[in-house]
Amino acid sequence: KAGVTQTPRYLIKTRGQQVTLSCSPISGHRSVSWYQQTPGQGLQFLFEYFSETQRNKGNFPGRFSGRQFSNSRSEMNVSTLELGDSALYLCASSQTGTSGRGTGELFFGEGSRLTVL
Amino acid sequence: GESVGLHLPTLSVQEGDNSIINCAYSNSASDYFIWYKQESGKGPQFIIDIRSNMDKRQGQRVTVLLNKTVKHLSLQIAATQPGDSAVYFCAENWMDTGRRALTFGSGTRLQVQP
Repeated sequence: KAGVTQTPRYLIKTRGQQVTLSCSPISGHRSVSWYQQTPGQGLQFLFEYFSETQRNKGNFPGRFSGRQFSNSRSEMNVSTLELGDSALYLCASSQTGTSGRGTGELFFGEGSRLTVL
Repeated sequence: GESVGLHLPTLSVQEGDNSIINCAYSNSASDYFIWYKQESGKGPQFIIDIRSNMDKRQGQRVTVLLNKTVKHLSLQIAATQPGDSAVYFCAENWMDTGRRALTFGSGTRLQVQP
């Protein structure tokens, strides 16, 4: 069974630009969560999608958005990039997710490393 | 590889020794806990979990202990191997206004000396 796939693995943007990151979950998993990982803040929850609906959202500004498609693939978008957005963005899939009634085990991808110059 | 955290607490052990990684969690309402391992350049990988109605759970070479009285979680790794070198995160999960929330700790770097 293929794991969680994130693209692109690395990208460099400049301030003010926008970026779209993609995540393909494990086949059969309906939940996709996104996390931002930085040395200073650790792993911080961005949002979770389940069956195309955003089920939970972390404390990030509106510049961070996401969506999930009918095939469970998910994208996240960051607009008007700032230097502080440089981070590793991790996607995790699970069967039930961590925001619903279940406590599903998360399977993480290898992340998209974003550098903002 | 990518640096997960520049200022993480570090535990250095000799190969073959047992390792104990500690985690203090913050929410007394947390009822589910997970340990993750993150190797350089990779995403976190599930190791073991425990529910709040248990105080101990064992896996293959790993044991998680939960002390709800002091809100403390520990991960014990038996016969530590070089492949165990990684950053270890604990995560707590609780019900918040009808939805579950999952929060990760800041992580501990485990270095295994051959």
